[in-house]
Amino acid sequence: NAGVTQTPKFQVLKTGQSMTLQCAQDMNHNSMYWYRQDPGMGLRLIYYSASEGTTDKGEVPNGYNVSRLNKREFSLRLESAAPSQTSVYFCATRGSGQTEQYFGPGTRLTVT
Amino acid sequence: RKEVEQDPGPFNVPEGATVAFNCTYSNSASQSFFWYRQDCRKEPKLLMSVYSSGNEDGRFTAQLNRASQYISLLIRDSKLSDSATYLCVVNIRATGSWGKFQFGAGTQVVVTP
Repeated sequence: NAGVTQTPKFQVLKTGQSMTLQCAQDMNHNSMYWYRQDPGMGLRLIYYSASEGTTDKGEVPNGYNVSRLNKREFSLRLESAAPSQTSVYFCATRGSGQTEQYFGPGTRLTVT
Repeated sequence: RKEVEQDPGPFNVPEGATVAFNCTYSNSASQSFFWYRQDCRKEPKLLMSVYSSGNEDGRFTAQLNRASQYISLLIRDSKLSDSATYLCVVNIRATGSWGKFQFGAGTQVVVTP
């Protein structure tokens, strides 16, 4: 089992470009999350999905959109990238009845 | 004020020594507590959950103090492989919601030979 996978691993964008970060899990978990991690700060929640077809905003949703088309996949889209979105992005999952989260390997995004 | 605060360190620890550090949280509705380990440029991985009565997993001991709103992690007989950043994570469960995970910025531990 791969657990939680993310693509791409690295990405460099120019300001104003768009891209989609992909996350997939084979753990049969209902809940999926997108976080960003910046130096000196804890992980901050961008968006959350409790189940297929549902999404909720987290702490820092501005500039992002998400899509949960099926149970396995949860994508994060940057419509018009800005330098402030330079960060490491982690996808995570959590099973029903479980309290801990499982993280993907991350996507390192630089916006110039 | 951050909801979850940690001393960023680094804590420089000789191999074989003991190191301990705390994490404070501000929301008294916090219900679940965890320590995650994060290696440089890697994803966080669960080290251990923290239970009310305190718990131990090998060389690692976690404690929860609800009255003073902090959790602690103690590492005994430190190994070089313990060098990492340790993240404190708190789950705040509001009525009718899925609960919210709050992350500390992490405490860096460097174990030296």
